[in-house]
Amino acid sequence: SAVISQKPSRDICQRGTSLTIQCQVDSQVTMMFWYRQQPGQSLTLIATANQGSEATYESGFVIDKFPISRPNLTFSTLTVSNMSPEDSSIYLCSGMTGLDNEQFFGPGTRLTVL
Amino acid sequence: QKEVEQDPGPLSVPEGAIVSLNCTYSNSAFQYFMWYRQYSRKGPELLMYTYSSGNKEDGRFTAQVDKSSKYISLFIRDSQPSDSATYLCAMTGGGGFKTIFGAGTRLFVKA
Repeated sequence: SAVISQKPSRDICQRGTSLTIQCQVDSQVTMMFWYRQQPGQSLTLIATANQGSEATYESGFVIDKFPISRPNLTFSTLTVSNMSPEDSSIYLCSGMTGLDNEQFFGPGTRLTVL
Repeated sequence: QKEVEQDPGPLSVPEGAIVSLNCTYSNSAFQYFMWYRQYSRKGPELLMYTYSSGNKEDGRFTAQVDKSSKYISLFIRDSQPSDSATYLCAMTGGGGFKTIFGAGTRLFVKA
């Protein structure tokens, strides 16, 4: 298994600003992902974080709004740019081990945009 | 039709009851099936993981996969108030497949 930590755990931000969320895994994982979860809803995949190259974004998500970095096998960041109240959500980092496709999640970052 | 269908509930049961949670899916390429438990204001926690068809048991939890019917289940025996959470099913074909999550079922176990 993998233990995943995220920072910050929560934040309240002003409209128009940006927030960078950090994700650290305690062991090497083959794949890392970023999800968004609205209250009471399931998980929506934002993008797959690729080591050393541009992230792969899902439909409806773009790099200018959600730039992602993954400089090594255990660390990734997600930036939520030019925030609006509609970006208020829980953002979850996830890692997948390659051998058996088990996927683990961090505790999430609860973002409120005023 | 969604790739994965899961009744969002809520499901309310008395303590000690047997709970049955279910998901159906449409993509026959799915090979790996997971159940996650998510407590309020926490990230999803991997609870059960199965590959292909069959049953897997872990303590009070049993995961069942019927690929012929495209139907997966999670059974919780002797349910406890601490089992109150949202349970999400998830599945993937492996390789470059994305993991597809169900909507989650909210479970309440009353003492």
